[in-house]
Amino acid sequence: TQLLEQSPQFLSIQEGENLTVYCNSSSVFSSLQWYRQEPGEGPVLLVTVVTGGEVKKLKRLTFQFGDARKDSSLHITAAQPGDTGLYLCAGGESGGSNYKLTFGKGTLLTVNP
Amino acid sequence: DTGVSQNPRHKITKRGQNVTFRCDPISEHNRLYWYRQTLGQGPEFLTYFQNEAQLEKSRLLSDRFSAERPKGSFSTLEIQRTEQGDSAMYLCASSLGGTLIYNEQFFGPGTRLTVL
Repeated sequence: TQLLEQSPQFLSIQEGENLTVYCNSSSVFSSLQWYRQEPGEGPVLLVTVVTGGEVKKLKRLTFQFGDARKDSSLHITAAQPGDTGLYLCAGGESGGSNYKLTFGKGTLLTVNP
Repeated sequence: DTGVSQNPRHKITKRGQNVTFRCDPISEHNRLYWYRQTLGQGPEFLTYFQNEAQLEKSRLLSDRFSAERPKGSFSTLEIQRTEQGDSAMYLCASSLGGTLIYNEQFFGPGTRLTVL
């Protein structure tokens, strides 16, 4: 069973601060996806990374996939209250099981005005 | 641009009753997934369809659970004889199939089930 560990579990910061959340595994994934989920809603896909060492930017969000494709990070610059939510990483298996996503437990981010 | 839709959004039922949820995927997506999410956890995989074929079921899907996708479009998830432990958010997702080395899954808003 492939497991994804996310850290920190909870993060509360002030508007304007920077932050980084981490997603780690002992397993290799063919891809890694980051989602943001608001209370009572489904996860919304933010980005997919597939190549070891890949870096993708989405406005103030920077996503990195580890060289060995076992870990990933999400960095937010100048956080805003609208960034508040549960950030989930999900790893995609390879080969014939590439439909499977394994989710971490998430990082609950609160950005205070 | 219509995304994945789920109905109902909320369901409150008494223990022992049967419930059925519906999911309408993005129209061109031939893969459909059901997940369950409880408080403080990420979504957990329940089952997967490619077109109308149910190709995998998780051990989490006991014999009280059944899912169908009769025409390869919408899907239903039925829970028979509900138990309090079934209380959770039930999420549906869809994705394109084919030979992609990865697949991006798009989620619906979920159905929140409360079993009293």
